[in-house]
Amino acid sequence: DVKVTQSSRYLVKRTGEKVFLECVQDMDHENMFWYRQDPGLGLRLIYFSYDVKMKEKGDIPEGYSVSREKKERFSLILESASTNQTSMYLCASSPDTLEASGARGEQYFGPGTRLTVT
Amino acid sequence: QKEVEQDPGPLSVPEGAIVSLNCTYSNSAFQYFMWYRQYSRKGPELLMYTYSSGNKEDGRFTAQVDKSSKYISLFIRDSQPSDSATYLCVFIRGTSYDKVIFGPGTSLSVIP
Repeated sequence: DVKVTQSSRYLVKRTGEKVFLECVQDMDHENMFWYRQDPGLGLRLIYFSYDVKMKEKGDIPEGYSVSREKKERFSLILESASTNQTSMYLCASSPDTLEASGARGEQYFGPGTRLTVT
Repeated sequence: QKEVEQDPGPLSVPEGAIVSLNCTYSNSAFQYFMWYRQYSRKGPELLMYTYSSGNKEDGRFTAQVDKSSKYISLFIRDSQPSDSATYLCVFIRGTSYDKVIFGPGTSLSVIP
């Protein structure tokens, strides 16, 4: 079974703090993703990575950065947390590009980190 | 107009009922369609995938796509309490992961 783990289930931080969210996958997947999930808005892609040290912006990268130093680990960084970044953060991984998988591109998600910024 | 619209529910049905979950979309470029299921306190997991108009069955689940009317549906037959979850419709309009669009999800409760 694919396993995607996230470092924290719940996190409370203060405005202005630097926040690190860690994600690890154990299936040697090439692709990794960070989403945020908000009621009524669905999952929105923040950043994704096709390979070690590579990153691509998603729909809402502002206020976030990412790091992928090792294939199995993808970190999301909030440089200066703000209250509008209070959300559920989901990490995912996928073994193939969309093209290689015939556009199936199944993503395997972690359980999420509920971040509250006060 | 939103690119994807999905009734958020919550939808509550008795055990054994037939459930119909629907999404409409406005972008004709969407070519591939999926349904993900998300249990409480868990991440989403792929339930069904299809790319053509018509129906696709998998056990108690049927995915329906109508490209001409721009809507997709997920039917659940003989619904079970274990089907209680949020169902996300997902659309793909290209070959990059930033072209994958998730709907907001419909919350379903199946009451024993």
